Formats: sequence, C-alpha cells, structure tokens
Amino acid sequence: DGGITQSPKYLFRKEGQNVTLSCEQNLNHDAMYWYRQDPGQGLRLIYYSQIVNDFQKGDIAEGYSVSREKKESFPLTVTSAQKNPTAFYLCASSIGGAGDTQYFGPGTRLTVL
Amino acid sequence: QKEVEQDPGPLSVPEGAIVSLNCTYSNSAFQYFMWYRQYSRKGPELLMYTYSSGNKEDGRFTAQVDKSSKYISLFIRDSQPSDSATYLCAMMALTGGGNKLTFGTGTQLKVEL
Repeated sequence: DGGITQSPKYLFRKEGQNVTLSCEQNLNHDAMYWYRQDPGQGLRLIYYSQIVNDFQKGDIAEGYSVSREKKESFPLTVTSAQKNPTAFYLCASSIGGAGDTQYFGPGTRLTVL
Repeated sequence: QKEVEQDPGPLSVPEGAIVSLNCTYSNSAFQYFMWYRQYSRKGPELLMYTYSSGNKEDGRFTAQVDKSSKYISLFIRDSQPSDSATYLCAMMALTGGGNKLTFGTGTQLKVEL
C-alpha cells in the first residue's frame, strides 16, 4: 500500500521546545517537500529536497530545519526560533521530473502551548 | 499583491448545481496548473492537472486554463454533498530550483441537500 505517512496526527508542545515531525514515503519519489498551512493563507513552502543529502529553503524557512539522509524520509524540526509554530504541517513528495505532480500526506497539527 | 488570488468563499450551493471555482494569477511563467481538494483536517488530494492553456475533463470535473487572461477555473457538474470541501488551485513555473508550487488560499465549498 503505497503512500505518504506523517506522524503524529496531533502534537502538543510547550513554548521554547524543539519538535520533530516525521514524514515517510514508499512511492520511490526523489523529491520531498514541507508546507505549512494557516487559515486564510493557503500552503506555504518551508523546505524541499530534490535528492538525498540535499535540500533547499522555501519561502518561510526561518525557525525550521530538515535532513534528508534517506530517500524515504524527510523529517522537519520546528525550533524554538520559530515565532509562531502553531499550524497544520503537510509533507508532499513527487517523482522529481519537470512539472511533476506533488502528492500530500495526511498532515500533522502542531499546537504550541 | 499575491501571485495567486482565490476567493475564499464560503460558497454554498444546492445538490445537483454546477459549481464554478476560479483563480487568477500574475506570474506569466506559470505553465502547470492543478486543482486539489482538501477535506477538513486532511491532506490535499490532486483532482486535476493541466499543462498550458486548454480544457481537461474527468468525470464531473472540468478544468480550464486561459493563459492570455491569467485565469483558471474548475467546474463541478451535478454537485454532491460529498464535494463539500476546500478547493485549492496551485501553479508551477519551471525553474532551476525545482518544482515549486504556488497555492491559492482555497475556496470553501458546501453542497447542501
């Protein structure tokens, strides 16, 4: 059963703590992406990776970090430097060719108390 | 001004109605156009994918792209209560930095019995 999994579905953290969100795919996709979704603002790109051991900043990378040590995995760390971390976080993947489509995971709702 | 503009709604229609959802954009470099459907607290799922101008039909859904007017539309025929969701338009330009999607803010649709 191929797809993208994100865990956990809901996450609660105290202010000032770092937290890591998991994203795994078994679609054999080269490219992976992290988006943040806030009410009324659509999806905004945080980081993306086109290949293992390489990643680039998106439009709102400040306060976030990522790693891409395996093709299947692209974890996102929300650091204490992120000023407004409460949001719905979405991971996506794609084959990696020009104009290819992105497929999304179910998302993680992070609430910072 | 945002690169992609989308009326947030909410849009409420009776069951069986034809629904028209629209986005306008300002970046003439966009070549790939997508529509995603997102149910509450779920990840977006790809509905339609179109390259350049023209129409594409898939069952009850028709996507139209008018690059000269920088305007895209999604039509839903014979709308059903199960179509109630947020519809996101997304666009992509080919760049050297990977396939970055730019999203509209989403239109919330409710189909009532």
